[in-house]
Amino acid sequence: EAGVAQSPRYKIIEKRQSVAFWCNPISGHATLYWYQQILGQGPKLLIQFQNNGVVDDSQLPKDRFSAERLKGVDSTLKIQPAKLEDSAVYLCASSLGVGATNQPQHFGDGTRLSIL
Amino acid sequence: DQQVKQNSPSLSVQEGRISILNCDYTNSMFDYFLWYKKYPAEGPTFLISISSIKDKNEDGRFTVFLNKSAKHLSLHIVPSQPGDSAVYFCAADNYGQNFVFGPGTRLSVLP
Repeated sequence: EAGVAQSPRYKIIEKRQSVAFWCNPISGHATLYWYQQILGQGPKLLIQFQNNGVVDDSQLPKDRFSAERLKGVDSTLKIQPAKLEDSAVYLCASSLGVGATNQPQHFGDGTRLSIL
Repeated sequence: DQQVKQNSPSLSVQEGRISILNCDYTNSMFDYFLWYKKYPAEGPTFLISISSIKDKNEDGRFTVFLNKSAKHLSLHIVPSQPGDSAVYFCAADNYGQNFVFGPGTRLSVLP
């Protein structure tokens, strides 16, 4: 089966600019996650969707970050305006979700964002 | 406050020997634990998991042990191979509501 697809792989922008990342989860996976991974740290959950509804966005900096999953499949994560501390790898993951307990998350290869 | 801790940032092991990676957690509500392996420029890859109702799970060369009373789990790799060199992340889940990763341990398997 095809894995989680993310694009772009790399992005370089200047601070105060905006940027968007795209994710296509594994087919049939109801739950989708966005993580931020700063160099030397573990991934930190930003937002979790169940189909097209938000389950948890408690760690999403809502003044500058937004995410949507309008049709319950693809998702986009946006940063506007970007700050220097947003430099990180942004990972998307998916899992079976509804009705399926104890299921692992499967990750894409991420987007490496560099802020100048 | 780190809910999932991996106190060893790095570990070096000789090829063919056992690698033991450790993980501690603080939240007693976690009911599902996972290990992920990550190569540079790739996303984490799921390796093995264990439910809180078990104390051991094996998959080939990989075994995960869970000690709930000590809030501790470990990953054993036997025998270690050079291709196992990667960063290993421990993760814990609370009934699908709170998925937390540790900071990772970099394993180097020396030929």
